[in-house]
Amino acid sequence: KAGVTQTPRYLIKTRGQQVTLSCSPISGHRSVSWYQQTPGQGLQFLFEYFSETQRNKGNFPGRFSGRQFSNSRSEMNVSTLELGDSALYLCASSLEGFDTEAFFGQGTRLTVV
Amino acid sequence: QQQVKQSPQSLIVQKGGISIINCAYENTAFDYFPWYQQFPGKGPALLIAIRPDVSEKKEGRFTISFNKSAKQFSLHIMDSQPGDSATYFCAAKQALSSNTGKLIFGQGTTLQVKP
Repeated sequence: KAGVTQTPRYLIKTRGQQVTLSCSPISGHRSVSWYQQTPGQGLQFLFEYFSETQRNKGNFPGRFSGRQFSNSRSEMNVSTLELGDSALYLCASSLEGFDTEAFFGQGTRLTVV
Repeated sequence: QQQVKQSPQSLIVQKGGISIINCAYENTAFDYFPWYQQFPGKGPALLIAIRPDVSEKKEGRFTISFNKSAKQFSLHIMDSQPGDSATYFCAAKQALSSNTGKLIFGQGTTLQVKP
């Protein structure tokens, strides 16, 4: 069974640009969550999508947005990039349920210069 | 109140020793507590998880101890091996009442097991 796939693995962008990251969840998983990982702040929740609807949102500015498609694939977009947006962006998918496991992808390493 | 505090930040253990990582939380609505292991260049992977109605859970060399009254939980790695060298994250979520996958993570502990 294929795992969570994130593309691209690495990105270098310039301040002010925008970026779109993609996440393909495990087949059958309808819940997709996004996290930002930095050395200083650790792993922080960005948002969660379920059946194409945003179910939960973390404390990030409106420059961070996402969406989910009917096949459960998800994208997140960051507009007007800032240097502080440099991070590893992780996507996790899971089955619906109380204590189901969240499976993480390898992440997209975004560097803003 | 949404925070999960994890300690220590780093840990060095000799091969065969016991590694202990501690976490504390404030939000009593949290009802699912997983531990994740992350190797460099990889995403976190679930190691073991516990619900608050259980005080201890063991899977192989890994044990979670849970103290509901103190709002603390810990990971014990018995007979630590060099291959266990990784970053460990505790986490919590409010699953049952809010039906969400949102995980709140601790800051992480970098474990080094010396041969």
